[in-house]
Amino acid sequence: GEDVEQSLFLSVREGDSSVINCTYTDSSSTYLYWYKQEPGAGLQLLTYIFSNMDMKQDQRLTVLLNKKDKHLSLRIADTQTGDSAIYFCAERLNDYKLSFGAGTTVTVRA
Amino acid sequence: DTGVSQDPRHKITKRGQNVTFRCDPISEHNRLYWYRQTLGQGPEFLTYFQNEAQLEKSRLLSDRFSAERPKGSFSTLEIQRTEQGDSAMYLCASSLARRMNEKLFFGSGTQLSVL
Repeated sequence: GEDVEQSLFLSVREGDSSVINCTYTDSSSTYLYWYKQEPGAGLQLLTYIFSNMDMKQDQRLTVLLNKKDKHLSLRIADTQTGDSAIYFCAERLNDYKLSFGAGTTVTVRA
Repeated sequence: DTGVSQDPRHKITKRGQNVTFRCDPISEHNRLYWYRQTLGQGPEFLTYFQNEAQLEKSRLLSDRFSAERPKGSFSTLEIQRTEQGDSAMYLCASSLARRMNEKLFFGSGTQLSVL
């Protein structure tokens, strides 16, 4: 099984905010990442956060990190149809290995 | 820079056959990774190279799997005597090794179907 857990599905109306949640288990993880995967494509790095931060904002994306609860979230403001994809949370376990969650499928409806 | 490219995009094979996939990383990247992704799951680490040296292999990588990166540039992943359980998306990623916050750039993957 995976050490990183995510809810499987999220449906959101166009223009609303999306919030995708993730929990991880390794408290020594230094960096946590969000990747996006569109159908038939590889993973695209969206953003990341260092473990000594609790928030990072990058245009429409806001990452919140609660290290005590090992909880990570990704908020997408003003969600667009192009945001429909699978979003993966990943934690860095060591120098070379990332552990990914199973992904959250985000569907944006008009 | 065209990103990480993988070939072929799709491969259909019969059980017992051998298959080989190729990955061309971003040119200045010294690390290259192979991950496997099955339907409804996130990518799972298989192995990685730093330059031409294969430094780590997951227990997921059985003896039927072999990966090479002969000149520290492109890499190949070969699966011998394929089984239906090998059906998956095989993703390649490359990076520039850093002490902290190494960012992986993924290719579009090779989708393998074993009949």
